[in-house]
Amino acid sequence: SQQGEEDPQALSIQEGENATMNCSYKTSINNLQWYRQNSGRGLVHLILIRSNEREKHSGRLRVTLDTSKKSSSLLITASRAADTASYFCATAPLTGYSTLTFGKGTMLLVSP
Amino acid sequence: DTAVSQTPKYLVTQMGNDKSIKCEQNLGHDTMYWYKQDSKKFLKIMFSYNNKELIINETVPNRFSPKSPDKAHLNLHINSLELGDSAVYFCASSQPNRGYTEAFFGQGTRLTVV
Repeated sequence: SQQGEEDPQALSIQEGENATMNCSYKTSINNLQWYRQNSGRGLVHLILIRSNEREKHSGRLRVTLDTSKKSSSLLITASRAADTASYFCATAPLTGYSTLTFGKGTMLLVSP
Repeated sequence: DTAVSQTPKYLVTQMGNDKSIKCEQNLGHDTMYWYKQDSKKFLKIMFSYNNKELIINETVPNRFSPKSPDKAHLNLHINSLELGDSAVYFCASSQPNRGYTEAFFGQGTRLTVV
């Protein structure tokens, strides 16, 4: 069953602007991850945040996690045309084998 | 070096045919997966194998049969292909018992059933 729901479904911005994507999920998690998918390619892992963490940074990426609201956000600062892609959140379950459950993704278009 | 490689990248076939997609990972991971991505880009887990053993089999028709000859390979065989099987199929691997579950994905196989 679907776990994550990304919001918005599509986002169009200009280079240099910040892009914020949100993700909501339903069940308790071990961690939440964000992936990027360029058109016609596989998914690439961007960042992982554990359930006991609230914020994490990696380069121009900032991820927050609010387990009380079961939500996460991904902020890409100073966006570039090369950031154009679909972004997915994925949750790893609290117990058992850690099969990721993906949301529907946000399609980000960054115009030069 | 490609960490997770799957072949073929494109597969066009007629309804009723049987086809296979191969996947190999050179990361030494114990767990491998097949995901299906539909036309709306929704990714759904199909199968998960840990050390050659099936651990997750989501609601997938039994026309789909995964085979794991060793922990580095997870192939997907599909019998009697139907139009609705058209999608992009992704193989992935991870190592959950290392305390994190980052997954590495192959480039995908775009299956078109005509």
